[in-house]
Amino acid sequence: QQPVQSPQAVILREGEDAVINCSSSKALYSVHWYRQKHGEAPVFLMILLKGGEQKGHEKISASFNEKKQQSSLYLTASQLSYSGTYFCGLLTLEAGGTSYGKLTFGQGTILTVHP
Amino acid sequence: KAGVTQTPRYLIKTRGQQVTLSCSPISGHRSVSWYQQTPGQGLQFLFEYFSETQRNKGNFPGRFSGRQFSNSRSEMNVSTLELGDSALYLCASSFSARYEQYFGPGTRLTVT
Repeated sequence: QQPVQSPQAVILREGEDAVINCSSSKALYSVHWYRQKHGEAPVFLMILLKGGEQKGHEKISASFNEKKQQSSLYLTASQLSYSGTYFCGLLTLEAGGTSYGKLTFGQGTILTVHP
Repeated sequence: KAGVTQTPRYLIKTRGQQVTLSCSPISGHRSVSWYQQTPGQGLQFLFEYFSETQRNKGNFPGRFSGRQFSNSRSEMNVSTLELGDSALYLCASSFSARYEQYFGPGTRLTVT
């Protein structure tokens, strides 16, 4: 089942902050965040693992609430280069762990940063 | 370190034909996943391979198939192409499927 991202779109001025949310109806093993610019491939930003381990971009932070099955991506002091579509991808916990490797992506959040 | 490469970058095919797309993962990565991206459906998981074994498959018809070779390179095949198969096909590699995935530039397939 596809995770739900919100908001669908956000417009910022340089220097402003934004939060993008991602929620799931299934128990999560990990949450992955990617940014895709028009005509380019998605670029890895951050991964948050069950149990609290995080790894990713130094200027972007994120949280992972295992109980609520939610994750939020925090973009602070936005720059023009932050513009793009942000996707969360979820690895869910399923019987036997057979979902490992099957990333299910949200519909994306379009972020536009203006000067 | 070289990134994920995909060939060809662009393809135009006719309905009913078949197509094979290739993906070379980052050196040392054994997991390769394939995704279909369309404006209407977003990024959808096709399948994932690890050490030449398909471990996961998305909800796509049997016309979509793939394989992985001993050097971790992967190919994806679509037979009997339909207009709806027009999409950007992305592959992503990772050290292990549980960790971050790195995407290739994609193959843009147009079916006419």
